[in-house]
Amino acid sequence: GAVVSQHPSRVICKSGTSVKIECRSLDFQATTMFWYRQFPKQSLMLMATSNEGSKATYEQGVEKDKFLINHASLTLSTLTVTSAHPEDSSFYICSATLGPGTFTDTQYFGPGTRLTVL
Amino acid sequence: QKEVEQDPGPLSVPEGAIVSLNCTYSNSAFQYFMWYRQYSRKGPELLMYTYSSGNKEDGRFTAQVDKSSKYISLFIRDSQPSDSATYLCAMSANSGYSTLTFGKGTMLLVSP
Repeated sequence: GAVVSQHPSRVICKSGTSVKIECRSLDFQATTMFWYRQFPKQSLMLMATSNEGSKATYEQGVEKDKFLINHASLTLSTLTVTSAHPEDSSFYICSATLGPGTFTDTQYFGPGTRLTVL
Repeated sequence: QKEVEQDPGPLSVPEGAIVSLNCTYSNSAFQYFMWYRQYSRKGPELLMYTYSSGNKEDGRFTAQVDKSSKYISLFIRDSQPSDSATYLCAMSANSGYSTLTFGKGTMLLVSP
């Protein structure tokens, strides 16, 4: 079956530094990728939707200058948390679909990246 | 009132029990309903997808949607320790993953 990987699985960084998280579709071409954030015991919250070669669509309340998303190829999307602060500590999860992200597509989730900002 | 309410649990049951997981919602426009299973420190995986009202069965899992009561359920028959996970409900008024609203998830613990 289709696999989505994320790297790194866990990262600890100092406040003020930038962190890049990679999301790769290993055996399929992902037209659409989604980035989520999940705080402990909270809902999965969509941060942004990205399509290969175009700018990401950010959800309301998500700072696009802080959470930079690049979907440069059909198999790779990156999320960069710029000038990270302790409140950015969370579980970041990506997912991917072959098509435009409607329910007729299957959505494949990555295993997530645990970010801890000291 | 939050759009989607889900009891966080934990819900502890013995192996073989029938498990009932539930969500309530306030947005009457929701018509797509999903249940995800998420193991600790992993991404979610889709278990069940239902459109509009009614029941849907897949193996040991049954999803029910009662739109008149704004209430959805997931039943797990013959629960196994491997079912121990967090179960998230999600729903949408439109047929796109970017429009899903998730519940907080219910942690299920099945003891052998």
